Amino acid sequence: DIQMTQSPSSLSASVGDTLIITCRASQSIGNWLAWYQQKPGKAPKLLIDKASTLQSGVPSRFSGSGSGTDFTLTISCLQADDFATYYCQQYHSYSSFTFGPGTKVDIK
Amino acid sequence: EVQLVESGGGLVQPGGSLRLSCAASGFTFSSYEMNWVRQAPGKGLEWVSYISSSGSTIYYADSVKGRFTISRDNAKNSLYLQMKYLGADDTAFYYCTTYPFTYGDYAINWGQGTLVTVSS
Repeated sequence: DIQMTQSPSSLSASVGDTLIITCRASQSIGNWLAWYQQKPGKAPKLLIDKASTLQSGVPSRFSGSGSGTDFTLTISCLQADDFATYYCQQYHSYSSFTFGPGTKVDIK
Repeated sequence: EVQLVESGGGLVQPGGSLRLSCAASGFTFSSYEMNWVRQAPGKGLEWVSYISSSGSTIYYADSVKGRFTISRDNAKNSLYLQMKYLGADDTAFYYCTTYPFTYGDYAINWGQGTLVTVSS
């Protein structure tokens, strides 16, 4: 099975900061990677799929890049609404749509 | 409105069974592959099971293999998860999700989930 890792596992940031969250797959997954945002008590929300395709309605300060095994989620000019937990998910292998362990972003 | 609504969760004793349902609306359910994903309280997301659009291909996470059964009824726009031999580790919110993730230009949002609590 494909394993996913994320770094960092948590970070503290301030409004206006630029954040980079990294996701790594244990084997090549092409660009079959999604990013989700989850706020406490809410279901995850899809931000990006195919590694870099921003979903409609998601602010342009979110961007994704990467292919193969290494991917990044960048949040430019962090806003108060962005404090949440972020997950990556691979869907290259249908036998296991594995998620990363998550990155919690909180206020410094 | 494009919607996924999970139901069927509740309190069940260890070793017990439960059947979850997911009602889909606003999109062509029969064209979408479906997954169950769960999240234990305070923990991360765990993929549980996959079913192809026709139901002919099914996969399970090792943690539930042999105990859970995924199925679908395309005529009823519904997805199911039959869970048996439940243990404390199965306590979680259960979500149904689609693949592809979008309908037209918009993401198909996850439902609110249904909470399964395994406890005596």
